[in-house]
Amino acid sequence: KAGVTQTPRYLIKTRGQQVTLSCSPISGHRSVSWYQQTPGQGLQFLFEYFSETQRNKGNFPGRFSGRQFSNSRSEMNVSTLELGDSALYLCASSGGPPAGEKLFFGSGTQLSVL
Amino acid sequence: QKEVEQNSGPLSVPEGAIASLNCTYSDRVSQSFFWYRQYSGKSPELIMSIYSNGDKEDGRFTAQLNKASQYVSLLIRDSQPSDSATYLCAVTASGGSYIPTFGRGTSLIVHP
Repeated sequence: KAGVTQTPRYLIKTRGQQVTLSCSPISGHRSVSWYQQTPGQGLQFLFEYFSETQRNKGNFPGRFSGRQFSNSRSEMNVSTLELGDSALYLCASSGGPPAGEKLFFGSGTQLSVL
Repeated sequence: QKEVEQNSGPLSVPEGAIASLNCTYSDRVSQSFFWYRQYSGKSPELIMSIYSNGDKEDGRFTAQLNKASQYVSLLIRDSQPSDSATYLCAVTASGGSYIPTFGRGTSLIVHP
């Protein structure tokens, strides 16, 4: 079974630009979560999508948004990039409760904002 | 505010020793507990889950849960240099959101 696929692996952007990250979950998994990881803050939850609906949302500004398609693939968008948005963005899929609590992470997208 | 606390380390142990990693959590209704391992430059990987008080063993790994003390630990027996990584504790509360709260992780170094 193929794992969680995230693209691109690396991104370099400048302040004010916008970025879109993509995530394909494990086949059959309907829940996709996004996390931001920085050395200072650790893993911070952004949002979770299930069956094309945002089911849970973390404490991030509205510049961070996402969506999920009918094939469970998900995208995350960050608009008006700030230097502080530089981080590793991780996507995780899960198969739904009770297994839904077990997350399977993709390799991540390392975003650098200059 | 749900909090999960871990000592950032690094925890340094010699090869073959037992590494003990600890985690405390603030939400008393927490229900599910997970340990993820993250190698440098890689993404987290689930290695253990535990749901009820007591010990759960899987190979060289043992997870221990004490809900009364709001404490969960991970023991790694016969530590190997390949165990050197950051270990993340994650806790999920009851009530249906199934979104785990992660600790910041403990860095483990196993030296030959």
